[in-house]
Amino acid sequence: AQSVTQLDSHVSVSEGTPVLLRCNYSSSYSPSLFWYVQHPNKGLQLLLKYTSAATLVKGINGFEAEFKKSETSFHLTKPSAHMSDAAEYFCVVSESWGTDKLIFGTGTRLQVFP
Amino acid sequence: EAGVAQSPRYKIIEKRQSVAFWCNPISGHATLYWYQQILGQGPKLLIQFQNNGVVDDSQLPKDRFSAERLKGVDSTLKIQPAKLEDSAVYLCASSDTGSWGKLFFGSGTQLSVL
Repeated sequence: AQSVTQLDSHVSVSEGTPVLLRCNYSSSYSPSLFWYVQHPNKGLQLLLKYTSAATLVKGINGFEAEFKKSETSFHLTKPSAHMSDAAEYFCVVSESWGTDKLIFGTGTRLQVFP
Repeated sequence: EAGVAQSPRYKIIEKRQSVAFWCNPISGHATLYWYQQILGQGPKLLIQFQNNGVVDDSQLPKDRFSAERLKGVDSTLKIQPAKLEDSAVYLCASSDTGSWGKLFFGSGTQLSVL
């Protein structure tokens, strides 16, 4: 069965410093992986997705993630945090290739301090 | 473009009562999902519709939960009778055909069962 593990429940950074949100996956096939963001009182929004085309995936708002098969990781990064990045981030895997049945991680809450 | 609309925003009920949630997806989106998000956890898929047919309801507690999607557009999710453990945010999402993992989420209905 497919699953994702988000290694940190909370991450705190100062504005202007790099962001790293860690995610490891478990999959019996070549997975499709996603990062979603949830701002307070707003709906979940897709940040980026990996579907085996390129291992480095660029998303919205300056975020990117790198698929590393040898490490079974799909960490989310951003070079410089902004106050507006404060939110809950979810690493997500699709249950099977090509389907929309998504399995969410438990989330990482990102705090950004001025 | 209008987003996914959900109502009510909040609902407080006592255990054993019934409750219903409503969702209006993005116009033209064939696929509609209901997710349950318990505090501190990632969203969990309850049911997926393709037009007005059920694609996956394997994680829907059918003894108390029911859902329908009338005419392939709006959807309602009902709980009867509610239990304390049903306290959660209920998220509705929709996606376009072939979008593969790009779901658009509503803001959710926060249910408290007392």
